[in-house]
Amino acid sequence: KQEVTQIPAALSVPEGENLVLNCSFTDSAIYNLQWFRQDPGKGLTSLLLIQSSQREQTSGRLNASLDKSSGRSTLYIAASQPGDSATYLCAVEETSGSRLTFGEGTQLTVNP
Amino acid sequence: SAVISQKPSRDICQRGTSLTIQCQVDSQVTMMFWYRQQPGQSLTLIATANQGSEATYESGFVIDKFPISRPNLTFSTLTVSNMSPEDSSIYLCSVNPTGTDTQYFGPGTRLTVL
Repeated sequence: KQEVTQIPAALSVPEGENLVLNCSFTDSAIYNLQWFRQDPGKGLTSLLLIQSSQREQTSGRLNASLDKSSGRSTLYIAASQPGDSATYLCAVEETSGSRLTFGEGTQLTVNP
Repeated sequence: SAVISQKPSRDICQRGTSLTIQCQVDSQVTMMFWYRQQPGQSLTLIATANQGSEATYESGFVIDKFPISRPNLTFSTLTVSNMSPEDSSIYLCSVNPTGTDTQYFGPGTRLTVL
C-alpha cells in the first residue's frame, strides 16, 4: 500500500527566504506526482505536476523535483512571500486516472 | 482545466440526519472522486464515481453510509447518512479532465455535526 510522508509538518520562515519542502513515497511505481496548495478552509489548488518520466517542473518561483527511484520529491520556493503561507500537500497517482494518495502536508508560515 | 462548484459550502447538522453534497463540473468528465479531510488531517479517498455504473468505494467506506449518484458526466452527489460528530470534515470532489493528468478540486463542503 502506497504511503506518502511530508517533512517538516510545519515551517515558519521570514519573508525572502528560500525554502524546501520534502515528500517521500514508499512505492516508486507511480504515474505522476502533484504538489497542491491549500488555504485555510478552502479546496486545493494544483501547483505543479511531474510525470514519472520527468525530473523536475518549474512555475514562477516554484520548482519541484522528482527522484522516482528513491521515492522522493522536493518543492523549492524561492524568495518566499507572506502570500505563500498555506498548507502544501504532495500526492502520488499510481496509474493514469486513478485516485491520489496524499501526504499529511507541510503548514508554511512566511512572516513579513 | 476544470471549474468545479460544490453545494453547500458549509453546513451544521444534527446527529442522526443526512446531508447531500452536490458537485458540478463545467466540462464532461469520466470519473469524479470524493475525498474526506478530517480536522487537521490530509485527504482520504471515499469513492470513485463513474457515470452509468455504481461507485467504487475505498476500504473503510460503505455505500449505506456514503451513497453516491452520478446521473451525467458533469454532476455527482455524495450523501453523508445518519451523521455522527465523527463525520465532521471537509468533503471535496475532484476530477481528471480529459487530456490532462492534473486533478482539479472543488472548494469543499465543510460539515459540522453536533
